[in-house]
Amino acid sequence: EDQVTQSPEALRLQEGESSSLNCSYTVSGLRGLFWYRQDPGKGPEFLFTLYSAGEEKEKERLKATLTKKESFLHITAPKPEDSATYLCAVQARGGADGLTFGKGTHLIIQP
Amino acid sequence: KAGVTQTPRYLIKTRGQQVTLSCSPISGHRSVSWYQQTPGQGLQFLFEYFSETQRNKGNFPGRFSGRQFSNSRSEMNVSTLELGDSALYLCASSPTTPSYNEQFFGPGTRLTVL
Repeated sequence: EDQVTQSPEALRLQEGESSSLNCSYTVSGLRGLFWYRQDPGKGPEFLFTLYSAGEEKEKERLKATLTKKESFLHITAPKPEDSATYLCAVQARGGADGLTFGKGTHLIIQP
Repeated sequence: KAGVTQTPRYLIKTRGQQVTLSCSPISGHRSVSWYQQTPGQGLQFLFEYFSETQRNKGNFPGRFSGRQFSNSRSEMNVSTLELGDSALYLCASSPTTPSYNEQFFGPGTRLTVL
């Protein structure tokens, strides 16, 4: 059974204080690993897709990396508008079961 | 371009009743996926429809069902509601299937079962 574990559950940072969110996964053949951002009262918003170990993608202050067992979402010099819940999901080869999501990391950036 | 819309946004039902939720995908999108989000279990995949056919199904009981119409709009139905069905139900659309990196989510329907 595919599993995704995210840590920490919650993280409070000062504006400008860089940090990383972790996503550990177990999947029977990874087709893709996805990062989403979810704001209160809204649906998730797609951020990145990673397909193979060693791959990295960047968008503004965010950088996602992937190894064979985990993914990191690095946040550099965050701003208050980066506050959100960040969700990680995996899709197994074959993709018959849709996406398997972690429970997310609730990130708060204080001014 | 209008985003994914879901109706109603909020719903209160009692145990044993049934409920139908509606999702209108982005114009031109043919794939619609449904998810259940709860504080305890997080986001869980329910099912995916493409061109009026169910392509994938998550691990949910048969009380959860869905369908897709020729205009790609989709509905999901939950029969014999239980307290544990209280959740945020999210719909997501994409141009093709499976295309999770092009998946756009709606705001969700908040279902409360009393």
